[in-house]
Amino acid sequence: NAGVTQTPKFQVLKTGQSMTLQCAQDMNHEYMSWYRQDPGMGLRLIHYSVGAGITDQGEVPNGYNVSRSTTEDFPLRLLSAAPSQTSVYFCASSGGGKTYSYNSPLHFGNGTRLTVT
Amino acid sequence: DQQVKQNSPSLSVQEGRISILNCDYTNSMFDYFLWYKKYPAEGPTFLISISSIKDKNEDGRFTVFLNKSAKHLSLHIVPSQPGDSAVYFCAALGGGTSYGKLTFGQGTILTVHP
Repeated sequence: NAGVTQTPKFQVLKTGQSMTLQCAQDMNHEYMSWYRQDPGMGLRLIHYSVGAGITDQGEVPNGYNVSRSTTEDFPLRLLSAAPSQTSVYFCASSGGGKTYSYNSPLHFGNGTRLTVT
Repeated sequence: DQQVKQNSPSLSVQEGRISILNCDYTNSMFDYFLWYKKYPAEGPTFLISISSIKDKNEDGRFTVFLNKSAKHLSLHIVPSQPGDSAVYFCAALGGGTSYGKLTFGQGTILTVHP
């Protein structure tokens, strides 16, 4: 019972490099999202998707791209990494259909710790 | 502008005593509130929730209270256990958006001493 799987667990990038954080879920959830966690800031929503082919911006979308070609996968792309993107990134999914359901809380992955030097 | 605030970065309590974690919000459109618990190197896990039509919800040792007039909610853990030591996030849902977007507070680190 894998749930939400994020890879890699750790990553170090140099400023200007690009990379993709992977997220996969095996619960057939329609709703998926990416959050970043920073000290004193809590979890902030970057991008979310309510189904394959549909994505939208969250609170802090700048510097990140997403796509949703399948129900299972929701990768997060950093095109040109900056030190301000040093953070812990969490992917989450919910079985609440095309809107977040009050009866279906978010299931989180274990996070990717990204450092940009 | 932080719409959900947890003003206490940390809380330390003795095993067996009550832990009270607080959360304030500013957006009166929020209509559902959740608490998540997070251990180091793991993702947050759902703990308990409450709808704005209620003022209390209980699940075992965990009770969440909602005071809508004060825009304040609290999580009570009784009795506290060392395994409850974790970061606790409150989160709110609603806010008039077309799709649900969870808004999280900054988190409170709870330490329960044996």
